[in-house]
Parts: sequence; C-alpha cells; structure tokens
Amino acid sequence: DIQMTQSPSSLSASVGDRVTITCRASQGIGNYLAWFQQKPGKAPKSLIYTASSLQSGVPSKFSGSGSGTDFTLTISSLQPEDFATYYCQQYNSYPYTFGQGTKLEIK
Amino acid sequence: QVQLVESGGGVVQPGRSLRLSCTASGFTFRSYGMHWVRQAPGKGLEWVAVIWFDGSNKYYADSVKGRFTISRDNSKNTLYLQMNSLRAEDTAMYYCARDPYSSSSGGIDYWGQGTLVTVSS
Repeated sequence: DIQMTQSPSSLSASVGDRVTITCRASQGIGNYLAWFQQKPGKAPKSLIYTASSLQSGVPSKFSGSGSGTDFTLTISSLQPEDFATYYCQQYNSYPYTFGQGTKLEIK
Repeated sequence: QVQLVESGGGVVQPGRSLRLSCTASGFTFRSYGMHWVRQAPGKGLEWVAVIWFDGSNKYYADSVKGRFTISRDNSKNTLYLQMNSLRAEDTAMYYCARDPYSSSSGGIDYWGQGTLVTVSS
C-alpha cells in the first residue's frame, strides 16, 4: 500500500498569513493527488484534484502543486473560515490512502 | 445540486451485521463510481471501498476485506455497504462519496454528511 505522510501535523497561523502543507507519497503516484478540508463535526470538502486543479467553487486562494512523490497545498491570505484540518489522498492505486491530516489553528 | 444522504447507522454488538445506505440525487447516479470512507472518533480519514458505475468492479481496504461488501442499485439511485462480523475498531462515521469518473479513477468530488456506526456490547 502507498503511505501518505503530511507535514506538519499541526500548524498555527494568523489571519492574513500564507501557509504551506506538504504531503509525501511512499512511491510515485503521478499527479493522482487530492486535497480535502474538514471542519469539526462536518463532512470533508473536496478542494483540489490531480494535484493542482481546483474543484468547482473553491476559491483561488487555495493552490496545489507537485508530482511523483512530493506535493504541497498552499493557502494564501488566511481567513477565519480556513482554520480546519486538511488531508491529502492518493488515488493512483488501490487501496486509496489518506495522509494523517494537518490541523491548521489560529495563532 | 449533488446530494448524498447516508442512513442505516446505529449501535450494534460485536460480531453482528449492519447495512448502510446512501441515496443520491442531483446527478445521473448510474454514470459515476462511488466510494465509502470512514472516520473513527477523533481520528483521520480511512478509505473503505469503491464500486464502479455499473457494479462490475469493487475494491476494498485490507481492514474490511472479506467482511464488508459494497453494492449499488442504479434503479434506486442507492449505494450500500453491508458490514458483517463487526468489530469495535469499525466504530466510525461512514461517508459515501462520489467519484467524478465512471471507472472510479478520479478520486472524490462530493461527500455525504455521514452516518455513525458504533460497535459496542
């Protein structure tokens, strides 16, 4: 199975900051990488697919990059509604696997 | 708009069975692959299973293989997860989710709100 490792596991930032979350795959996955946002008590929301494409309705402050084994999610100009937990997921091969999550908290 | 509504969760004893349902609306259900994903309390997301648009292919996480069965009824716009031989570690919120591709190779674009399964004596 492909292991997905996110860093950091938690991150404190201020409103207006720009942050970057990293996701590393244990083997190459091409660009079959997605990012999700989850707020407490809510279902996940899809943000990005194929490493860098925004899902419909997702604001351009979210951006993704990478291919192969190393990927990043960048969120610019943080707003209160952006503080949540973020997960990456590979869908290159079954079983699909998620990273352990990165909790983004307000400083 | 795309809607996915899960049902069937509840409290069940270890070793017993439960069937979850996910009713879809707002899109042509028979044209899309579908997934189940779960989340144990306070933990991260775990992919559980996928089924292709026509039910011809199914894949499972090792943790549920041989105990869970994913299926669908395209005439009823409904996805199912039959869970047998339940264990305490199966306690989780179960989400159904849509794959943007019929062959379930596009990841996930929409999620339901989830249904909670608690396995406890």
